[in-house]
Amino acid sequence: NAGVMQNPRHLVRRRGQEARLRCSPMKGHSHVYWYRQLPEEGLKFMVYLQKENIIDESGMPKERFSAEFPKEGPSILRIQQVVRGDSAAYFCASSLPGLTYEQYFGPGTRLTVT
Amino acid sequence: DQQVKQNSPSLSVQEGRISILNCDYTNSMFDYFLWYKKYPAEGPTFLISISSIKDKNEDGRFTVFLNKSAKHLSLHIVPSQPGDSAVYFCAASADNAGNMLTFGGGTRLMVKP
Repeated sequence: NAGVMQNPRHLVRRRGQEARLRCSPMKGHSHVYWYRQLPEEGLKFMVYLQKENIIDESGMPKERFSAEFPKEGPSILRIQQVVRGDSAAYFCASSLPGLTYEQYFGPGTRLTVT
Repeated sequence: DQQVKQNSPSLSVQEGRISILNCDYTNSMFDYFLWYKKYPAEGPTFLISISSIKDKNEDGRFTVFLNKSAKHLSLHIVPSQPGDSAVYFCAASADNAGNMLTFGGGTRLMVKP
């Protein structure tokens, strides 16, 4: 029973490049959440998605960031024209439809912008 | 404005003793609270949760207490084991705020053998 999977685990990008982070939820989970953790801080909510729908993107920066969860395949968090301040650990979580409070997290992608 | 706060960045406890991790919140609309444990380079692992209609929930060595009037919750681990050494995050959710979790800044627990 595989947990939430994220890849890559580590990603290095130069300023101005694009970063694509992938998340496959747990089997049977149709709700996906993305969180960001800056160094020495707690996790901050970014976006909540269901298949083919963005439900809540109130935590997402208005520019350069986008997320999708297509009918087939993993959820993708995309960061265009990365800047040094985007360096962080990005965690994906998933939940069952009826238990959306109990979110199970993947191992995270650590993004470093040089 | 931090809605969930963990005021102790670190806690050191002797093996076999009780560990008490504290969390305060300001948003009275929060109605569900969770504790997560996190090891370095791993994602948070769900530990235990409590609904606002309860004041206590117990699961093995872990017990969470909720004091709604004080807007305070705590996680008790007894007896503490060296393997419990990790960063612990409390998180809260409000029914009127969709499904986002609001996290505290974490407390690093060190259990000494």
